[in-house]
Amino acid sequence: AQKVTQAQTEISVVEKEDVTLDCVYETRDTTYYLFWYKQPPSGELVFLIRRNSFDEQNEISGRYSWNFQKSTSSFNFTITASQVVDSAVYFCALRAPNYGQNFVFGPGTRLSVLP
Amino acid sequence: DGGITQSPKYLFRKEGQNVTLSCEQNLNHDAMYWYRQDPGQGLRLIYYSQIVNDFQKGDIAEGYSVSREKKESFPLTVTSAQKNPTAFYLCASSTRATGLLADTQYFGPGTRLTVL
Repeated sequence: AQKVTQAQTEISVVEKEDVTLDCVYETRDTTYYLFWYKQPPSGELVFLIRRNSFDEQNEISGRYSWNFQKSTSSFNFTITASQVVDSAVYFCALRAPNYGQNFVFGPGTRLSVLP
Repeated sequence: DGGITQSPKYLFRKEGQNVTLSCEQNLNHDAMYWYRQDPGQGLRLIYYSQIVNDFQKGDIAEGYSVSREKKESFPLTVTSAQKNPTAFYLCASSTRATGLLADTQYFGPGTRLTVL
């Protein structure tokens, strides 16, 4: 079965702190994709990153970085020097063939960045 | 600008009434999806469509119906059979539903449905 776990329900940090959002996934497929989305208070999900199962290189985009480790089935997301505008719910998602290639979303982590 | 639009943003319905949520995209995407989001929970797939005049049930299709008569449009009807319809509904689209795992789903702004 496909499953995505985001154990942190809510996180609060003070502006300029670094914060890591955890994502652990389960799949029997060897080929799959992992995604992160951001949902600001407006409600629309915004695509952040996509990573395939064969590429374990970490990725950095500005203040955002992602650490993909197949050995622990984790795809963690770090925000460096957080800002108030980073406050949102963040979803990790998995896409794999044995789920009809549809997305399986985690329950989300609500991040509050306090000024 | 290319994107996905959903209307209305807020919708109120009386118990026993059917209501239709609109979703339109001008991204020329083949695949479209409907998700339901309840407070504090992730997204659950209601229906998806890979091509015009074709659609499949997702994990929680009971009490919902869809149509796909045009590539750009994928309306969702919440019927009176849906026992707990109050939720946030999100529409998404992607280039293709199958055959390309890398396809990213892009989302609309959502419709918040409240049953009175």
